[in-house]
Amino acid sequence: DVKVTQSSRYLVKRTGEKVFLECVQDMDHENMFWYRQDPGLGLRLIYFSYDVKMKEKGDIPEGYSVSREKKERFSLILESASTNQTSMYLCASSPVAYNEQFFGPGTRLTVL
Amino acid sequence: RKEVEQDPGPFNVPEGATVAFNCTYSNSASQSFFWYRQDCRKEPKLLMSVYSSGNEDGRFTAQLNRASQYISLLIRDSKLSDSATYLCVVQYSGAGSYQLTFGKGTKLSVIP
Repeated sequence: DVKVTQSSRYLVKRTGEKVFLECVQDMDHENMFWYRQDPGLGLRLIYFSYDVKMKEKGDIPEGYSVSREKKERFSLILESASTNQTSMYLCASSPVAYNEQFFGPGTRLTVL
Repeated sequence: RKEVEQDPGPFNVPEGATVAFNCTYSNSASQSFFWYRQDCRKEPKLLMSVYSSGNEDGRFTAQLNRASQYISLLIRDSKLSDSATYLCVVQYSGAGSYQLTFGKGTKLSVIP
C-alpha cells in the first residue's frame, strides 16, 4: 500500500513564526504536491514538484515556499505565519505514469 | 481560468435510493477526469476514473460528456457507508500535466 505521512496531525503556531510541514512518501513517486483545504473553497494547490530539487508554483503560492532535497520528502515552509494561513494542509504524491494522487492524513494548522 | 463546478449539496437521501451528482469544467483541453471521495476529517481517496465511454464499478457509474464539458456520478442502492463528500477532479494538459484541479465537493448523507 502507498503510504504518505505528514509530520503532525495538529499544529498551533503564533503569528510571525517560521513553520515547517513535512511530508514523506514510501512508494518512490516522482510527483509530490501540497494543498490547503478550507471550508467553501475546496482543495487548492500551493506548490508541486516533479523531481528532486525541482518545484513549481500552484494556484496560491504566496506566503509559502517548498523544499525537495530527497525524492521521498517534500517540505512546505511558511516563512512568517499569518492568521490567514490557518487551514488543513494536505500532501499528496503520484507516480509519473499514473494520474491518481495519494494523500497524507493532513495537518491542521492554527496560527494565533 | 481553470474551474470545476459542483453542486455543494448537501444531498440527504434514504438508504436504497439512487442519487446523481453533476460537475462541469471550464477548460476544453482537459485530459483526464476522476471522482474522489473524502470522508469527514479524512484525506481524499480516488473513487474512480471517468472515461468517455462511461464506466461502472459496482453501484457506481461515472459518465463524461466532452461536448458539454460535463461529468456525472450515479450511486445506486445507497448505503449508510456512502455518506461522504464527493470531489470532481479534472487534469489539465500543458505544463504541469499531472496537476489536478478539484471541485469544492458535493456532500452526501445517506439516512436510515
